[in-house]
Amino acid sequence: DGGITQSPKYLFRKEGQNVTLSCEQNLNHDAMYWYRQDPGQGLRLIYYSQIVNDFQKGDIAEGYSVSREKKESFPLTVTSAQKNPTAFYLCASSRASETQYFGPGTRLLVL
Amino acid sequence: AQSVTQLDSHVSVSEGTPVLLRCNYSSSYSPSLFWYVQHPNKGLQLLLKYTSAATLVKGINGFEAEFKKSETSFHLTKPSAHMSDAAEYFCVVSFTSGTYKYIFGTGTRLKVLA
Repeated sequence: DGGITQSPKYLFRKEGQNVTLSCEQNLNHDAMYWYRQDPGQGLRLIYYSQIVNDFQKGDIAEGYSVSREKKESFPLTVTSAQKNPTAFYLCASSRASETQYFGPGTRLLVL
Repeated sequence: AQSVTQLDSHVSVSEGTPVLLRCNYSSSYSPSLFWYVQHPNKGLQLLLKYTSAATLVKGINGFEAEFKKSETSFHLTKPSAHMSDAAEYFCVVSFTSGTYKYIFGTGTRLKVLA
């Protein structure tokens, strides 16, 4: 079954802690994306990657980091520098600049 | 500058009545346009997309949208609402300018009354 998986479904972060959100796809897509969703707002782009070992900042990259060591995987780290991390995080993938397909999301909460 | 506006943040309809969710865009380029649906605490699911072929686009679950260049609109419609249609709907624009970026509307929450 092809698709995008995100884990965990819920994640709790303590003050000053870095946490990593997982995103995996088996669609053989070259491009992958991370978005943040806050209530009443559309999705905002954090980072995207068009190819392995390369990624670009989106509109709200501060306080986040990513890596793209494998085509299938694009993990997002929320660092302690992100002062307001509580949000719903969505990963997506696409073939080149075509239609994006989304994972089920991870909800990050601060303890 | 490219932008997308969803004209209603909330829409309520009775079950069995038509649905209209409105979306306008502004663009200097030829846009690709999408509608996605999001149920609570879920990811986004693609309903339909327009990529410069037929202006009337049919999607899943009985939804369709019409691209009107003169009005810069891409409104989403469904003839008869079902309870399961209650969700948030996002209009999205992508521009054929070589970027990978989507621009999202702020969403329309559809409520379906029994």
